[in-house]
Amino acid sequence: NAGVTQTPKFRILKIGQSMTLQCTQDMNHNYMYWYRQDPGMGLKLIYYSVGAGITDKGEVPNGYNVSRSTTEDFPLRLELAAPSQTSVYFCASSYRTGHIFYEQYFGPGTRLTVT
Amino acid sequence: GENVEQHPSTLSVQEGDSAVIKCTYSDSASNYFPWYKQELGKGPQLIIDIRSNVGEKKDQRIAVTLNKTAKHFSLHITETQPEDSAVYFCAASSRGGSEKLVFGKGTKLTVNP
Repeated sequence: NAGVTQTPKFRILKIGQSMTLQCTQDMNHNYMYWYRQDPGMGLKLIYYSVGAGITDKGEVPNGYNVSRSTTEDFPLRLELAAPSQTSVYFCASSYRTGHIFYEQYFGPGTRLTVT
Repeated sequence: GENVEQHPSTLSVQEGDSAVIKCTYSDSASNYFPWYKQELGKGPQLIIDIRSNVGEKKDQRIAVTLNKTAKHFSLHITETQPEDSAVYFCAASSRGGSEKLVFGKGTKLTVNP
């Protein structure tokens, strides 16, 4: 298993440009997440999904959109990039057995700079 | 919503010493508390977790303790090694379901040879 993969690894955007960060997992996990990590600030949840066709906002969703058409893929869309979106973005996935949730597996991250 | 405080933000120890990182949480309904290690340029990786029905859990040199009454939990690393140097994050499940986690701001641990 490759686990959680993210592309691209690095990207520089100009203010106002758009882009999609790709995330794929091959573990058949129902739950997927997007986080942003700013220096000294931990991980903040942007959006998450509990299954194909279902998404919900996290703590910091403004300026982002997501979709979940398949179990494997969970792309994150930035429509009008702003300098405040400069960050490292992590995708993660998880699963549940009954009422027990298990660990979140993280991808390697995408470092995004908006100038 | 849930709030997780983590201390210290940086920690430097000598190889062989123990390291302790502490976290407090605000939501008494939280029931899952994982600890993640993040090496430079990589994604976080789970090193140990504990659920609210357990007070302590050990895995070789790593242990986690949970005090539900005081709403705090701690990571203990014994016999530290240089390869333990990394950023460590605690997290707690948020109100509404364990599928969501709230993370602390991280502790940068440096183990000096």
